[in-house]
Amino acid sequence: DTEVTQTPKHLVMGMTNKKSLKCEQHMGHRAMYWYKQKAKKPPELMFVYSYEKLSINESVPSRFSPECPNSSHLFLHLHTLQPEDSALYLCASSQGATNEKLFFGSGTQLSVL
Amino acid sequence: AQTVTQSQPEMSVQEAETVTLSCTYDTSESDYYLFWYKQPPSRQMILVIRQEAYKQQNATENRFSVNFQKAAKSFSLKISDSQLGDAAMYFCAYRSAWTGTASKLTFGTGTRLQVTL
Repeated sequence: DTEVTQTPKHLVMGMTNKKSLKCEQHMGHRAMYWYKQKAKKPPELMFVYSYEKLSINESVPSRFSPECPNSSHLFLHLHTLQPEDSALYLCASSQGATNEKLFFGSGTQLSVL
Repeated sequence: AQTVTQSQPEMSVQEAETVTLSCTYDTSESDYYLFWYKQPPSRQMILVIRQEAYKQQNATENRFSVNFQKAAKSFSLKISDSQLGDAAMYFCAYRSAWTGTASKLTFGTGTRLQVTL
């Protein structure tokens, strides 16, 4: 199994809603990542977890809250988002945080109304 | 901070022909990794090829090869015998080899490749 699976594939939410994005991998990877990608732009790193501990937070607003309960799962909890947060959210994993090969999921396309 | 520049927003190639995508980068580090990622309409980022800066030999993966010029800070991707399935957005990316920042990929702005019949 060499897949990173993200759910849901699409999400529409209002600014007052609370939702969560889910990511999972069963490759035994110990590093997991959240990237944000606006339309026609490259992905931008948001968070990195290494061995279930948050190792990098790229100054992301607190309305985005990551969680890594175990080595196979990663969540991104969303609350009181803004329309400008609409984007593709990509999850990735790698064997370790210093391993250069990242495996990406297909992303969750988020629209905030 | 490192920067990655892709100066070709769009490229087009005929099926079976060869195309080269350009990438330049700026860094003060001596040890790093460079990558080309492909993002088709499915949106998944797929690693195409990677190059380790300390290796002089250019990386090759089947129809994909790179021209790595360390002194010029240039890292171009050559796609030979182009296929319709190669149509995608291609991102060049940089990653430090230093542990402290090794998890961070810096991407270029991308080149959209069209493949025509």
